[in-house]
Amino acid sequence: GAGVSQSPSNKVTEKGKDVELRCDPISGHTALYWYRQSLGQGLEFLIYFQGNSAPDKSGLPSDRFSAERTGGSVSTLTIQRTQQEDSAVYLCASSLTAGPSYEQYFGPGTRLTVT
Amino acid sequence: DAKTTQPPSMDCAEGRAANLPCNHSTISGNEYVYWYRQIHSQGPQYIIHGLKNNETNEMASLIITEDRKSSTLILPHATLRDTAVYYCIVSPDGSSNTGKLIFGQGTTLQVKP
Repeated sequence: GAGVSQSPSNKVTEKGKDVELRCDPISGHTALYWYRQSLGQGLEFLIYFQGNSAPDKSGLPSDRFSAERTGGSVSTLTIQRTQQEDSAVYLCASSLTAGPSYEQYFGPGTRLTVT
Repeated sequence: DAKTTQPPSMDCAEGRAANLPCNHSTISGNEYVYWYRQIHSQGPQYIIHGLKNNETNEMASLIITEDRKSSTLILPHATLRDTAVYYCIVSPDGSSNTGKLIFGQGTTLQVKP
């Protein structure tokens, strides 16, 4: 079956512009996670959704970052007024439900470059 | 901070078993040990997880010590395609039940011909 998909695969934007990154989880997966991977920081958790709710937003680095999920499916991560330090690979993952005994399936990521 | 300690790098000869160690001395009773790997330029891939007992699947085996303070991931017959960064993760993180993963630096496994 289809895995987690993300779009775009690559995004180059100018400093100060807003960007939207999209994640399509595996059908039927209720839990969705966003992570980012940058050279200096490794892989870090950003936000978690269960259904359309986000009970854990603790990893969002600033109020320029927001995310939403609609219909318990597609999620969008929005970065406003992008900065060069936002350059990273943004990864989305989904799992059947939340909890430590459920593995997460990752998408291929969106590589964001802020110039 | 990650709750695991792994060697930064390891080499393995193609066709031989790769044994990747992980220390998680502060693990608590409800926390699982997960292994993921990340092949260059791809998203992380789930390998295996366990709570107390040893586990085996089509990809690997996971050996957890009786005191659960350390574990070993075993790739029985490593191939060049197994070259990747391997992450050992303890989940859940604290009292959270969200399943979020806290990644450390992992072990870079280089399989050599």
